[in-house]
Amino acid sequence: DTEVTQTPKHLVMGMTNKKSLKCEQHMGHRAMYWYKQKAKKPPELMFVYSYEKLSINESVPSRFSPECPNSSLLNLHLHALQPEDSALYLCASSQAVGTYEQYFGPGTRLTVT
Amino acid sequence: AQKITQTQPGMFVQEKEAVTLDCTYDTSDPSYGLFWYKQPSSGEMIFLIYQGSYDQQNATEGRYSLNFQKARKSANLVISASQLGDSAMYFCAMREGPGNQFYFGTGTSLTVIP
Repeated sequence: DTEVTQTPKHLVMGMTNKKSLKCEQHMGHRAMYWYKQKAKKPPELMFVYSYEKLSINESVPSRFSPECPNSSLLNLHLHALQPEDSALYLCASSQAVGTYEQYFGPGTRLTVT
Repeated sequence: AQKITQTQPGMFVQEKEAVTLDCTYDTSDPSYGLFWYKQPSSGEMIFLIYQGSYDQQNATEGRYSLNFQKARKSANLVISASQLGDSAMYFCAMREGPGNQFYFGTGTSLTVIP
């Protein structure tokens, strides 16, 4: 089973709201990733977790706060977002950081009003 | 410099025909990996095929094959016998470096015509 699940599928939030995106995988993968994708653009890496520790933060603003409670779960906490943060947020996992392919979830379409 | 270059923003192919999507890459790391992903309009990125830099043979997965030309630094995706469901955005990606950074190209939008 190569499934990565993400909830919610769609999210509309105001600039003063606090919300969270959730990602789950049960493939025993030890690396998990958050990407942001604008329309008709490639995904942009935001964060990488390796063995539940944050290993890469691509200079993402602090209004995005990742959390990896255990090896199967990855959250992205959102606070005081801007309209330009509206995008598709993709979660991915791989066996480990390295040559392995990444498996992506269906994404959360976020709209900030 | 761009790590991954996809020069075809849009491609059209007749159903049942083969199509080649171009990808060139730039790296000085001897160890790297090349990937192709398909993204339908629903948004999910679907892994298609992987080629390692030390692999001697071109990767194949069903109707997908990767034409790996190391000296030219190209990793083109060949889709044989195109189907209507192949209409999607296709991204070439590369993993390289000690930090295993993952880079995506700008993508090619493929439309299969009945």
